[in-house]
Amino acid sequence: AQTVTQSQPEMSVQEAETVTLSCTYDTSESDYYLFWYKQPPSRQMILVIRQEAYKQQNATENRFSVNFQKAAKSFSLKISDSQLGDAAMYFCARQGGSEKLVFGKGMKLTVNP
Amino acid sequence: GAGVSQTPSNKVTEKGKYVELRCDPISGHTALYWYRQSLGQGPEFLIYFQGTGAADDSGLPNDRFFAVRPEGSVSTLKIQRTERGDSAVYLCASSLGTGVTDTQYFGPGTRLTVL
Repeated sequence: AQTVTQSQPEMSVQEAETVTLSCTYDTSESDYYLFWYKQPPSRQMILVIRQEAYKQQNATENRFSVNFQKAAKSFSLKISDSQLGDAAMYFCARQGGSEKLVFGKGMKLTVNP
Repeated sequence: GAGVSQTPSNKVTEKGKYVELRCDPISGHTALYWYRQSLGQGPEFLIYFQGTGAADDSGLPNDRFFAVRPEGSVSTLKIQRTERGDSAVYLCASSLGTGVTDTQYFGPGTRLTVL
């Protein structure tokens, strides 16, 4: 099975600190995309950042950046200068040749003031 | 423009009843996806449409589940003879096309509770 694994169910971080969320995946495809989505209590999945597997350069989006290790099939998300509004469930997802997204189980991030 | 909208926001029904869940995609988006998110899990793919046709329905759990998109815009997910195990949040997403470069934008979901 081509799975996505998030091994940490919960994490907490102090406001203004940095936190890293881990994700590993399994795929037999050579071309695919990886995503981090955020899901606040409102339930709406919000795209945080995406990474194309063929690009060696790690994606960044303001305070959010990824560490993509293709050989290790690892895709971690770093959140810098954490803010209270970052508190949410975070889901790692993969999209390959088929159009569907395959998600991990998610991780709950708490930001402490 | 407006994002993906889903109605109702919450639906409570009794075991054995029929329910319909509606999704309005972003205007101009040709691809539409349905996912199901059970408690404590990530969303799982159910079906996706390219235009009016179901291009991949491999995620539908059984023949009680059916989805349509007759005019290539609004989609309805239909569940017959509901069971308690169908209780979940049903998420809809749309994208401009079906290439892997096209980001999927999600709606707020419908929380279905089967008593």
